[in-house]
Amino acid sequence: NAGVTQTPKFRVLKTGQSMTLLCAQDMNHEYMYWYRQDPGMGLRLIHYSVGEGTTAKGEVPDGYNVSRLKKQNFLLGLESAAPSQTSVYFCASSYSTRRDLNTEAFFGQGTRLTVV
Amino acid sequence: KNQVEQSPQSLIILEGKNCTLQCNYTVSPFSNLRWYKQDTGRGPVSLTIMTFSENTKSNGRYTATLDADTKQSSLHITASQLSDSASYICVVRGGTGGFKTIFGAGTRLFVKA
Repeated sequence: NAGVTQTPKFRVLKTGQSMTLLCAQDMNHEYMYWYRQDPGMGLRLIHYSVGEGTTAKGEVPDGYNVSRLKKQNFLLGLESAAPSQTSVYFCASSYSTRRDLNTEAFFGQGTRLTVV
Repeated sequence: KNQVEQSPQSLIILEGKNCTLQCNYTVSPFSNLRWYKQDTGRGPVSLTIMTFSENTKSNGRYTATLDADTKQSSLHITASQLSDSASYICVVRGGTGGFKTIFGAGTRLFVKA
């Protein structure tokens, strides 16, 4: 049971470098999300997608871009990394909340990103 | 403003003891409240979900309560085990249309032998 898989698990970037985080889910979920988790704060939504080919901004979208070309994959890109983007990034997926507000979100194991 | 506040920030207890974690929220209108357990280096995993009509729900040694009038929830852990050491996150869904999801900062629980 793979669930939600994120790659890579760890990464160190230099300021100004770019990278892409990959999220894959095998539960046929319509919705996918990218969050960041910082010390002393709750998870904050960066971007989300309600279906293949669609994306939308969350609470803290600046400096990030996303794409959902396939239903099972959701990519998070950093075009020019900044130290403020040092964080742990979590991908999650769920069935449509429009069908069921009580639907559960399943999380990946996280990617620890350090920007120096 | 929609907010979720958890207390305490961290807690240390001895193995076998009970503990209670608190969650206060201001999210309105309210749809549901979910407690997650997050082990170190892992993603959050759902423990239980509470809807407006539910006052209490158990999942093994975990019991969640909800008071929708005072907008408070608690998570009680009975007979703690070393494996209970983790962060516990309260998440409230609500807002107009129920599409807003607000995460608390979590309570970090340490269970010592």
